[in-house]
Amino acid sequence: NAGVTQTPKFRVLKTGQSMTLLCAQDMNHEYMYWYRQDPGMGLRLIHYSVGEGTTAKGEVPDGYNVSRLKKQNFLLGLESAAPSQTSVYFCASSRTGIVGELFFGEGSRLTVL
Amino acid sequence: AQKITQTQPGMFVQEKEAVTLDCTYDTSDPSYGLFWYKQPSSGEMIFLIYQGSYDQQNATEGRYSLNFQKARKSANLVISASQLGDSAMYFCALRMNNNAGNMLTFGGGTRLMVKP
Repeated sequence: NAGVTQTPKFRVLKTGQSMTLLCAQDMNHEYMYWYRQDPGMGLRLIHYSVGEGTTAKGEVPDGYNVSRLKKQNFLLGLESAAPSQTSVYFCASSRTGIVGELFFGEGSRLTVL
Repeated sequence: AQKITQTQPGMFVQEKEAVTLDCTYDTSDPSYGLFWYKQPSSGEMIFLIYQGSYDQQNATEGRYSLNFQKARKSANLVISASQLGDSAMYFCALRMNNNAGNMLTFGGGTRLMVKP
């Protein structure tokens, strides 16, 4: 019952460093998402994908890039990390259709010093 | 653009009592869905309940029910017989059914604390 798996779970970066968060889902879902959650706030959508090879911008895409080379994986990249990107990052996936709730990973806590 | 609002930053409820968490939304589209998620202190997001805009009856899932008042654009979550394990953050989310990716827009959340 893996569901949605995110790696790494924790990471500390220095300003200007780059890193990639990996999201993997084993439910054969078409849609995948990256959200960020800042303290005391709800989740905000960074980027999303409606299928293999497709990506689109969400509400807060600046400073992030994504790729969906395989249906089961959705990568979130930070090319030059900034302290404002300190956050908890959630990956999610959903099936197509009206009801399709999002299934979330456990989150990745990123700190940029 | 759609908007979703949770006006209660924090709430207390006595164990075994019922509690209502408020959620209002703003959209002009007729077709949409409303979701509630629970986030315990461990951090994961747990799906609780869904209500479609065309659903005739209020959604229920065990101790969770959704008080859907379409004309008032509210979708309040009711938790009956609160348990200590219900202490968590609760998020309401809106999805427009005409968007390409099924993505959700989340409210700011309500922290529920259940007192023994």
